[in-house]
Amino acid sequence: GDSVTQKQGQVTLSEDDFLFINCTYSTTTYPTLLWYVQYPGQGPQLLLKVTTANNKGISRGFEATYDKGTTSFHLQKASVQESDSAVYFCALVDRRNMGYKLTFGTGTSLLVDP
Amino acid sequence: EAAVTQSPRSKVAVTGGKVTLSCHQTNNHDYMYWYRQDTGHGLRLIHYSYVADSTEKGDIPDGYKASRPSQENFSLILELASLSQTAVYFCASSDGTGREEQYFGPGTRLTVL
Repeated sequence: GDSVTQKQGQVTLSEDDFLFINCTYSTTTYPTLLWYVQYPGQGPQLLLKVTTANNKGISRGFEATYDKGTTSFHLQKASVQESDSAVYFCALVDRRNMGYKLTFGTGTSLLVDP
Repeated sequence: EAAVTQSPRSKVAVTGGKVTLSCHQTNNHDYMYWYRQDTGHGLRLIHYSYVADSTEKGDIPDGYKASRPSQENFSLILELASLSQTAVYFCASSDGTGREEQYFGPGTRLTVL
């Protein structure tokens, strides 16, 4: 079945640092990849979507790209702010089942020091 | 704006007791989902539903039942709560018409003692 691996469990940065989070995936279908962000005490919310058609998504200063050759996708931001402190999940869309099931990575907790 | 609410927001239950978690959405979405979140495991799908009066097993359904009495409501039932079911539970909804975005509720923190 589909799988997603997110190895970076925790990342600590200072304001204005560059952020790079990586996920690898495995699927037998054309992937649609999502990045969700979860702020403390809240449910996850969609941040970005990347498909084979667009190869890149941009939102709120974040950029998501994917590399078919290495079956990996990345979330990056040029200059993080303290307000970006949150948990970031990558998720793979499974189109083979009824509805659109998501397979989530284990999450990367980002802490940005002011 | 999409709205998914969950009740209760927090609950303490005893081992062997019955627990019911409720979810309500006002998005007019057909699909609803229950996930659990544990440190180190991310979000894992327990049950989901794409129509009222029908539920489907997700990836980790053992020990859980689900009920979808209407389009708006989706419940997760733990008939015999166990210590291992201590977690944060999230409900989500989506319209299932090619838009992958799932809208999540605020979560329920369940502690089984």
